[in-house]
Amino acid sequence: GQSLEQPSEVTAVEGAIVQINCTYQTSGFYGLSWYQQHDGGAPTFLSYNGLDGLEETGRFSSFLSRSDSYGYLLLQELQMKDSASYFCAVFMNRDDKIIFGKGTRLHILP
Amino acid sequence: NAGVTQTPKFQVLKTGQSMTLQCAQDMNHEYMSWYRQDPGMGLRLIHYSVGAGITDQGEVPNGYNVSRSTTEDFPLRLLSAAPSQTSVYFCASSYSGQGQGEQYFGPGTRLTVT
Repeated sequence: GQSLEQPSEVTAVEGAIVQINCTYQTSGFYGLSWYQQHDGGAPTFLSYNGLDGLEETGRFSSFLSRSDSYGYLLLQELQMKDSASYFCAVFMNRDDKIIFGKGTRLHILP
Repeated sequence: NAGVTQTPKFQVLKTGQSMTLQCAQDMNHEYMSWYRQDPGMGLRLIHYSVGAGITDQGEVPNGYNVSRSTTEDFPLRLLSAAPSQTSVYFCASSYSGQGQGEQYFGPGTRLTVT
């Protein structure tokens, strides 16, 4: 079966840096995406890694290692508005499915 | 552009009733999908479509049907509602499944089955 593992909760301090990890086991892999979801809202796209390495978009960066079936999302200069749930998602090229992890709830302390 | 729209926003059904959740996008996206979200379970794929006339099952397809007669619309039908289908349903679209990474989500439909 397919599985994406990410921590259920992470807590960090405002202004700090936090890393959210995602490991995956899927039948076929094309790329790894990250989404943010605030309470009551819809998921919104943050970043995508199709190749190994680091992708940077402002305060957010995402990393992928295909050989380790592992990726992470790095959030820098944390702000209170970053309190949300973060999901990793895998596009599986074998059957064109996009499946999501269960999400990581990020708590930010002032 | 309206993006991805979903109707209704809220719905209460009785067990055994049927209904259709509507989803439409105006971005000419080929790839569309339906997810359900339950507390602690993340987003689970119900059905998806890589283009008009093509649909396939996701992780949790039982009790749901879809069709894709046009590029724009991807309705989800609940055949005989059950309390286990109480959830938040999200429709999403992207230019294509392959390598684009970015899916656009609708605002969701909050469904309660009593």
